[in-house]
Amino acid sequence: AQSVTQLGSHVSVSEGALVLLRCNYSSSVPPYLFWYVQYPNQGLQLLLKYTTGATLVKGINGFEAEFKKSETSFHLTKPSAHMSDAAEYFCAVFMLDDKIIFGKGTRLHILP
Amino acid sequence: KAGVTQTPRYLIKTRGQQVTLSCSPISGHRSVSWYQQTPGQGLQFLFEYFSETQRNKGNFPGRFSGRQFSNSRSEMNVSTLELGDSALYLCASSLRDTSYNEQFFGPGTRLTVL
Repeated sequence: AQSVTQLGSHVSVSEGALVLLRCNYSSSVPPYLFWYVQYPNQGLQLLLKYTTGATLVKGINGFEAEFKKSETSFHLTKPSAHMSDAAEYFCAVFMLDDKIIFGKGTRLHILP
Repeated sequence: KAGVTQTPRYLIKTRGQQVTLSCSPISGHRSVSWYQQTPGQGLQFLFEYFSETQRNKGNFPGRFSGRQFSNSRSEMNVSTLELGDSALYLCASSLRDTSYNEQFFGPGTRLTVL
């Protein structure tokens, strides 16, 4: 079965430090990949997506992710964390059966 | 353009009751998908409607049903509520004009079953 694995249900980083949220997928073909962010009491907002072409994808709020086929990974990074980045982040894969599979989510905590 | 709206935002029901949730997609979007979000299971796909027809469905019991109207608004119904149905129910709309179905989410309806 296709799946998405996010390593770490909680990640804490200091304000100004590098943010790295990990996502690995299992797929026999290159999928379409997404990162979403969810703030408290809100729905999901698309941060960025990989569909085709350049493997380094830039998104909103200074986030970017790199698609690495050999590692089946799509990790999310941001050079310098801001207090407003505290939220839950979801990696998702759009599969050939026409469904989107979400990872369990990683809650990002920003330490002052 | 207005975003995806969901009503009501919060709902409290008791076991055995039924509930109907509503979702209005972004104007022009013909696809509406529903998801259940719980702390234990995360986000799980319920079903997708496109042009009033169910296009896809997840692995949920028949107590969960939905429909879509000609104006693309969608409703989701859960009958004979169980405690485990307590969750945040998210609706997402899409143009369905690309091969990867980019979805835009509403704020969700928080359902509590007592």
